[in-house]
Parts: sequence; structure tokens; C-alpha cells
Amino acid sequence: LAKTTQPISMDSYEGQEVNITCSHNNIATNDYITWYQQFPSQGPRFIIQGYKTKVTNEVASLFIPADRKSSTLSLPRVSLSDTAVYYCLVGAAISSGSARQLTFGSGTQLTVLP
Amino acid sequence: DTAVSQTPKYLVTQMGNDKSIKCEQNLGHDTMYWYKQDSKKFLKIMFSYNNKELIINETVPNRFSPKSPDKAHLNLHINSLELGDSAVYFCASSQRTARERGNEQFFGPGTRLTVL
Repeated sequence: LAKTTQPISMDSYEGQEVNITCSHNNIATNDYITWYQQFPSQGPRFIIQGYKTKVTNEVASLFIPADRKSSTLSLPRVSLSDTAVYYCLVGAAISSGSARQLTFGSGTQLTVLP
Repeated sequence: DTAVSQTPKYLVTQMGNDKSIKCEQNLGHDTMYWYKQDSKKFLKIMFSYNNKELIINETVPNRFSPKSPDKAHLNLHINSLELGDSAVYFCASSQRTARERGNEQFFGPGTRLTVL
């Protein structure tokens, strides 16, 4: 199983860059790394997905080292509205007959302070 | 124009009852999912389903069963409800299967189930 480990919580201030790291030591060769954001009383929302090196979109960047045993979600210049739980998901490649691998874990509660 | 919708939003029921949660997506996606989020915020997949195959998390009790009348709907039926079934249930959909790249999932707003 591609278990993920993230910090339980992080605090930041408005305007700062926030980096959240996820460890996934037993990531499989064909696994992708996906990050989701969840606000209270809402479903998770896709942020970014990558396989290796660096991926950037309009809201975040994802850094993945060569060994792929970890990944870092980078949020530039956070605002109060970025306060949410951030989930790292690895193991999107469900093997036939078993969906057990697709577990998000407990995520990282990011709190942005004014 | 909601992408993924679920009904009801809240469901309170007694132990032993049978209940259903409905899910609909208007994104034209081929794959739909059901997740359970417990009080510790762990999101665990229960089922992944497209028009070709149903993939089950074998840790899910067989009291839970997905029913798909068509590609846009995946309902969740729960028989003989137990206290431990209390959680928030999320439906999701994706364009591609979970095995493929670009399989970002779109989630519904969730259904909070409380079993008394």
C-alpha cells in the first residue's frame, strides 16, 4: 500500500508561501501523486497532479524529487481563504479487484492567519 | 449547474434500518466513486465503478452496495445500518478510471449520515 504521511497541521500568514510535504516511501512505479483541498462541509477539490519533477498550474506547484518518495505542494502567497485541509493521495492506480489503496489519509490542516 | 450532486445532505436514522443515498454527475464522466469520511477525517474509498467494472474495497461490509441505473448515477444502498456507519459519505466522478493519468476526481457535497 502506498501509505502517505503528512503533518497534521500548519500555520501561516497571509502573503507567505506555504510548502506542505507528503512522504510516500513505498510509492509504486505507476502511481501518480495528487493533491486535494477540502473546506469544512464540502467535498475535496482537485488541486494538482504529477508523476515526477515539477508541475505548476494556476493555483499551486508540485515538486517531486527523483526518488519520488516524497512530494511538496507549494501554495504561493496564501490568503485567508486558503485555510483548509490538504490531502496528498498516492496510489491512484487501483489494481484490479481491489480499491483498498485509494485512501486519502488524514490530511494537513492549513490555517492562514491575518 | 452542479457538477456532482448528492441527496440527501443529511440523513438521520435508526439502527437496523435500510437507507439509500443518491448521486448524480452531469460531467459526462465514465467513472464514479463512493467514499466514507470518518470523524478523524480519513477519506476511504468504498467503490469505484464505470460501465465496465465495479471495483470494491474488500474491507467494506456487504451491507453496502452501489447501484448504477445509468452512467450519470451511482446510488449507495446500506442495509441494516449500524452505529459505526455514521460518517460523511462522498460521491465523486472522474473522466478516466483511477488507473489512468488525469484521473482527477470531482466530489459531491457529501451526505452526513447519523445512525442512532
